[in-house]
Amino acid sequence: QSVLTQPPSVSAAPGQKVTISCSGSSSNIGNNYVSWYQQLPGTAPKLLIYENNKRPSGIPDRFSGSKSGTSATLGITGLQTGDEADYYCGTWDSSLSAWVFGTGTKVTVL
Amino acid sequence: EVQLVQSGAEVKKPGESLKISCKGSGYSFTSYWIGWVRQMPGKGLEWMGIIYPGDSDTRYSPSFQGQVTISADKSISTAYLQWSSLKASDTAMYYCARRRGGDCYDYWGQGTLVTVSS
Repeated sequence: QSVLTQPPSVSAAPGQKVTISCSGSSSNIGNNYVSWYQQLPGTAPKLLIYENNKRPSGIPDRFSGSKSGTSATLGITGLQTGDEADYYCGTWDSSLSAWVFGTGTKVTVL
Repeated sequence: EVQLVQSGAEVKKPGESLKISCKGSGYSFTSYWIGWVRQMPGKGLEWMGIIYPGDSDTRYSPSFQGQVTISADKSISTAYLQWSSLKASDTAMYYCARRRGGDCYDYWGQGTLVTVSS
Protein backbone atom coordinates (compact mmCIF):
# COMPACT_ATOMS: atom_id res chain seq x y z
CA GLN A 1 0.00 0.00 0.00
CA SER A 2 1.45 3.33 -1.07
CA VAL A 3 2.19 6.09 1.45
CA LEU A 4 0.89 8.66 -1.06
CA THR A 5 -2.87 8.72 -1.44
CA GLN A 6 -4.66 9.86 -4.59
CA PRO A 7 -8.35 9.67 -5.53
CA PRO A 8 -8.99 6.60 -7.70
CA SER A 9 -10.72 8.60 -10.40
CA VAL A 10 -11.79 12.06 -11.49
CA SER A 11 -13.83 13.12 -14.49
CA ALA A 12 -15.03 16.20 -16.29
CA ALA A 13 -16.34 17.32 -19.64
CA PRO A 14 -14.06 18.50 -22.45
CA GLY A 15 -12.76 22.00 -21.81
CA GLN A 16 -13.34 21.78 -18.09
CA LYS A 17 -10.79 21.57 -15.27
CA VAL A 18 -9.84 18.71 -12.98
CA THR A 19 -7.59 18.60 -9.96
CA ILE A 20 -5.87 15.55 -8.55
CA SER A 21 -4.68 15.51 -4.97
CA CYS A 22 -1.72 13.61 -3.55
CA SER A 23 -1.65 13.31 0.22
CA GLY A 24 1.45 12.28 2.13
CA SER A 25 3.39 13.13 5.26
CA SER A 26 6.36 15.06 6.56
CA SER A 27 8.70 12.21 5.61
CA ASN A 28 7.82 12.48 1.95
CA ILE A 29 5.86 15.37 0.42
CA GLY A 30 6.43 17.65 3.40
CA ASN A 31 10.19 17.77 2.88
CA ASN A 32 10.87 16.71 -0.69
CA TYR A 33 10.06 17.73 -4.23
CA VAL A 34 6.97 16.24 -5.85
CA SER A 35 6.73 15.21 -9.48
CA TRP A 36 3.77 14.06 -11.55
CA TYR A 37 3.56 11.47 -14.32
CA GLN A 38 1.01 10.77 -17.03
CA GLN A 39 0.54 7.23 -18.25
CA LEU A 40 -1.54 6.93 -21.39
CA PRO A 41 -3.07 3.48 -21.98
CA GLY A 42 -0.46 0.94 -23.00
CA THR A 43 2.46 3.34 -22.78
CA ALA A 44 5.30 4.20 -20.42
CA PRO A 45 4.84 6.99 -17.86
CA LYS A 46 5.78 10.51 -18.91
CA LEU A 47 7.04 13.32 -16.70
CA LEU A 48 4.51 16.16 -16.48
CA ILE A 49 5.61 18.23 -13.49
CA TYR A 50 8.85 18.31 -11.49
CA GLU A 51 10.06 20.22 -8.43
CA ASN A 52 6.41 20.67 -7.37
CA ASN A 53 5.37 23.09 -10.09
CA LYS A 54 7.78 23.12 -13.05
CA ARG A 55 6.93 21.81 -16.49
CA PRO A 56 9.47 20.07 -18.72
CA SER A 57 9.90 21.42 -22.20
CA GLY A 58 6.97 20.42 -24.39
CA ILE A 59 4.41 20.05 -21.63
CA PRO A 60 1.54 22.51 -22.23
CA ASP A 61 0.68 25.07 -19.58
CA ARG A 62 -2.73 23.41 -19.21
CA PHE A 63 -0.91 21.22 -16.70
CA SER A 64 0.09 22.77 -13.39
CA GLY A 65 1.38 21.59 -10.05
CA SER A 66 1.37 22.93 -6.53
CA LYS A 67 2.35 21.83 -3.05
CA SER A 68 1.23 22.88 0.38
CA GLY A 69 2.48 21.18 3.52
CA THR A 70 2.12 17.43 3.10
CA SER A 71 -0.14 17.54 0.05
CA ALA A 72 0.36 18.23 -3.63
CA THR A 73 -2.07 18.92 -6.42
CA LEU A 74 -2.03 18.46 -10.18
CA GLY A 75 -4.37 20.63 -12.19
CA ILE A 76 -5.44 20.09 -15.77
CA THR A 77 -7.38 22.84 -17.52
CA GLY A 78 -9.01 22.80 -20.95
CA LEU A 79 -9.51 19.06 -20.64
CA GLN A 80 -9.07 17.10 -23.88
CA THR A 81 -9.91 13.53 -24.80
CA GLY A 82 -6.20 12.94 -25.20
CA ASP A 83 -5.77 13.63 -21.48
CA GLU A 84 -7.55 10.40 -20.59
CA ALA A 85 -4.85 8.55 -18.70
CA ASP A 86 -3.61 7.47 -15.31
CA TYR A 87 -1.75 10.10 -13.31
CA TYR A 88 0.76 9.43 -10.53
CA CYS A 89 2.51 11.66 -8.05
CA GLY A 90 5.94 10.70 -6.78
CA THR A 91 8.53 11.80 -4.26
CA TRP A 92 11.33 10.57 -2.03
CA ASP A 93 10.38 9.19 1.37
CA SER A 94 13.10 9.85 3.91
CA SER A 95 11.74 7.33 6.44
CA LEU A 96 11.59 4.49 3.92
CA SER A 97 14.77 5.63 2.13
CA ALA A 98 12.88 4.93 -1.05
CA TRP A 99 11.10 6.72 -3.83
CA VAL A 100 7.34 6.35 -3.59
CA PHE A 101 4.56 6.73 -6.14
CA GLY A 102 1.01 7.69 -5.38
CA THR A 103 -1.83 5.22 -5.75
CA GLY A 104 -2.72 6.67 -9.15
CA THR A 105 -5.75 8.52 -10.50
CA LYS A 106 -7.66 7.71 -13.65
CA VAL A 107 -8.85 10.78 -15.51
CA THR A 108 -11.95 10.34 -17.66
CA VAL A 109 -13.18 12.92 -20.13
CA LEU A 110 -16.97 12.69 -20.24
CA GLU B 1 18.10 12.68 -28.26
CA VAL B 2 17.96 10.92 -24.91
CA GLN B 3 16.71 7.36 -25.22
CA LEU B 4 16.35 4.39 -22.94
CA VAL B 5 15.76 1.19 -24.90
CA GLN B 6 14.78 -1.92 -23.00
CA SER B 7 15.12 -5.55 -23.95
CA GLY B 8 12.18 -7.49 -25.32
CA ALA B 9 9.36 -9.36 -23.65
CA GLU B 10 10.19 -12.54 -21.76
CA VAL B 11 8.20 -15.66 -20.94
CA LYS B 12 9.71 -17.76 -18.18
CA LYS B 13 8.81 -20.61 -15.86
CA PRO B 14 8.81 -20.34 -12.08
CA GLY B 15 12.27 -20.93 -10.65
CA GLU B 16 14.10 -19.74 -13.75
CA SER B 17 16.55 -16.85 -13.75
CA LEU B 18 16.26 -13.71 -15.85
CA LYS B 19 18.19 -10.55 -16.61
CA ILE B 20 16.58 -7.68 -18.50
CA SER B 21 18.38 -4.64 -19.82
CA CYS B 22 18.03 -0.91 -20.38
CA LYS B 23 20.43 0.79 -22.79
CA GLY B 24 20.90 4.54 -22.57
CA SER B 25 21.96 6.82 -25.38
CA GLY B 26 22.08 10.52 -26.21
CA TYR B 27 23.51 11.59 -22.85
CA SER B 28 26.34 10.85 -20.43
CA PHE B 29 25.19 7.47 -19.07
CA THR B 30 27.57 7.61 -16.11
CA SER B 31 26.23 10.95 -14.86
CA TYR B 32 22.61 10.05 -14.12
CA TRP B 33 20.98 7.52 -11.84
CA ILE B 34 18.81 4.86 -13.50
CA GLY B 35 15.78 3.56 -11.62
CA TRP B 36 13.59 0.50 -12.12
CA VAL B 37 9.82 0.55 -11.71
CA ARG B 38 7.39 -2.38 -11.60
CA GLN B 39 3.80 -2.29 -12.79
CA MET B 40 1.80 -5.41 -12.15
CA PRO B 41 -1.17 -6.07 -14.44
CA GLY B 42 -3.84 -3.45 -13.89
CA LYS B 43 -1.96 -1.92 -10.95
CA GLY B 44 0.05 1.17 -10.11
CA LEU B 45 3.73 2.04 -10.28
CA GLU B 46 6.18 0.63 -7.71
CA TRP B 47 9.73 1.87 -7.34
CA MET B 48 12.18 -1.00 -7.06
CA GLY B 49 15.56 0.63 -6.79
CA ILE B 50 18.18 2.74 -8.46
CA ILE B 51 21.79 2.61 -9.63
CA TYR B 52 24.41 5.21 -10.43
CA PRO B 53 26.32 3.75 -13.38
CA GLY B 54 29.32 5.97 -12.71
CA ASP B 55 30.31 3.98 -9.63
CA SER B 56 27.56 1.30 -9.44
CA ASP B 57 26.22 2.74 -6.18
CA THR B 58 22.87 0.94 -5.79
CA ARG B 59 19.87 1.49 -3.54
CA TYR B 60 16.85 -0.78 -3.17
CA SER B 61 13.31 -0.26 -2.01
CA PRO B 62 12.78 -2.25 1.22
CA SER B 63 10.01 -4.08 -0.65
CA PHE B 64 12.43 -5.40 -3.27
CA GLN B 65 15.67 -5.75 -1.31
CA GLY B 66 16.88 -9.32 -1.67
CA GLN B 67 14.31 -10.09 -4.36
CA VAL B 68 16.14 -8.61 -7.35
CA THR B 69 19.60 -7.38 -8.29
CA ILE B 70 20.27 -4.12 -10.09
CA SER B 71 23.55 -3.68 -11.93
CA ALA B 72 25.12 -1.68 -14.73
CA ASP B 73 27.87 -1.94 -17.32
CA LYS B 74 29.00 1.59 -18.04
CA SER B 75 31.20 0.45 -20.91
CA ILE B 76 28.07 -0.32 -22.92
CA SER B 77 25.74 2.22 -21.25
CA THR B 78 23.40 -0.48 -20.02
CA ALA B 79 21.61 -1.09 -16.75
CA TYR B 80 20.19 -4.44 -15.72
CA LEU B 81 17.51 -5.93 -13.51
CA GLN B 82 17.81 -9.58 -12.65
CA TRP B 83 16.11 -12.36 -10.78
CA SER B 84 17.73 -15.61 -9.63
CA SER B 85 14.48 -17.52 -9.17
CA LEU B 86 11.32 -16.11 -10.70
CA LYS B 87 7.88 -16.46 -9.18
CA ALA B 88 4.48 -16.14 -10.81
CA SER B 89 4.03 -12.94 -8.82
CA ASP B 90 6.95 -11.38 -10.74
CA THR B 91 4.69 -11.18 -13.78
CA ALA B 92 4.61 -7.48 -14.61
CA MET B 93 5.79 -4.70 -16.87
CA TYR B 94 9.17 -3.34 -15.82
CA TYR B 95 10.33 0.15 -16.73
CA CYS B 96 13.70 1.80 -16.43
CA ALA B 97 13.86 5.57 -16.06
CA ARG B 98 16.52 8.24 -15.78
CA ARG B 99 16.62 10.27 -12.58
CA ARG B 100 17.48 13.92 -13.04
CA GLY B 101 18.16 16.83 -10.74
CA GLY B 102 15.14 17.85 -8.71
CA ASP B 103 14.64 14.16 -7.97
CA CYS B 104 12.30 13.14 -10.74
CA TYR B 105 12.36 10.68 -13.62
CA ASP B 106 12.51 12.50 -16.92
CA TYR B 107 13.07 9.78 -19.51
CA TRP B 108 11.56 6.32 -19.48
CA GLY B 109 12.20 3.12 -21.36
CA GLN B 110 9.39 1.53 -23.33
CA GLY B 111 8.99 -1.25 -20.78
CA THR B 112 9.77 -4.96 -20.68
CA LEU B 113 6.89 -7.35 -20.09
CA VAL B 114 7.90 -10.34 -17.99
CA THR B 115 5.49 -13.26 -17.82
CA VAL B 116 6.16 -16.09 -15.38
CA SER B 117 3.94 -19.11 -15.86
CA SER B 118 4.23 -22.84 -15.61
